[in-house]
Amino acid sequence: KAGVTQTPRYLIKTRGQQVTLSCSPISGHRSVSWYQQTPGQGLQFLFEYFSETQRNKGNFPGRFSGRQFSNSRSEMNVSTLELGDSALYLCASSQQGNTEAFFGQGTRLTVV
Amino acid sequence: AQRVTQPEKLLSVFKGAPVELKCNYSYSGSPELFWYVQYSRQRLQLLLRHISRESIKGFTADLNKGETSFHLKKPFAQEEDSAMYYCALSGLDSGGSNYKLTFGKGTLLTVNP
Repeated sequence: KAGVTQTPRYLIKTRGQQVTLSCSPISGHRSVSWYQQTPGQGLQFLFEYFSETQRNKGNFPGRFSGRQFSNSRSEMNVSTLELGDSALYLCASSQQGNTEAFFGQGTRLTVV
Repeated sequence: AQRVTQPEKLLSVFKGAPVELKCNYSYSGSPELFWYVQYSRQRLQLLLRHISRESIKGFTADLNKGETSFHLKKPFAQEEDSAMYYCALSGLDSGGSNYKLTFGKGTLLTVNP
């Protein structure tokens, strides 16, 4: 069974630009969650989607948004990028959201 | 609200020494607790969950509801145990209708030769 796939693996963007990250969950998983990982703050929850609906949201500004498609693939968008948005963005999928989460390898975003 | 606290950001031990990574949680109901591990250049993965009560790679963790803790222990640390460890809790969100997985900030374990 293929694992969680995130694309692209690396991104370099300029302040003020926007970026879209993609996540393909494990087949059959309906829950997709996004996390921001930084050395200082650890793993911070962004949001969770289940069957195309946002079920939970973390404490991030409205510049961070996401969506989920009918095939459970998910995208995350960050607008008006700031230097502080530089981080590893992780996507995790699970069957129901409360069961074991399977993580992708992440997208390393660098904002310059 | 549910919360997971890992009080140590960094933990350094010598090979062969016992290791304990602390995790405390706050949750009003019956939680399901997990430990996740991230080795260098690898993806975050599940190490163990409290309901399975098993030992993985020599690690065990016992849920102590009285102390609201789920500490991860290993009697003899190995160099290959060096990694980032995250404690996580699954419980109903504040609305009471959806489950939510909450992670602690992680502990970086270094096992020195």
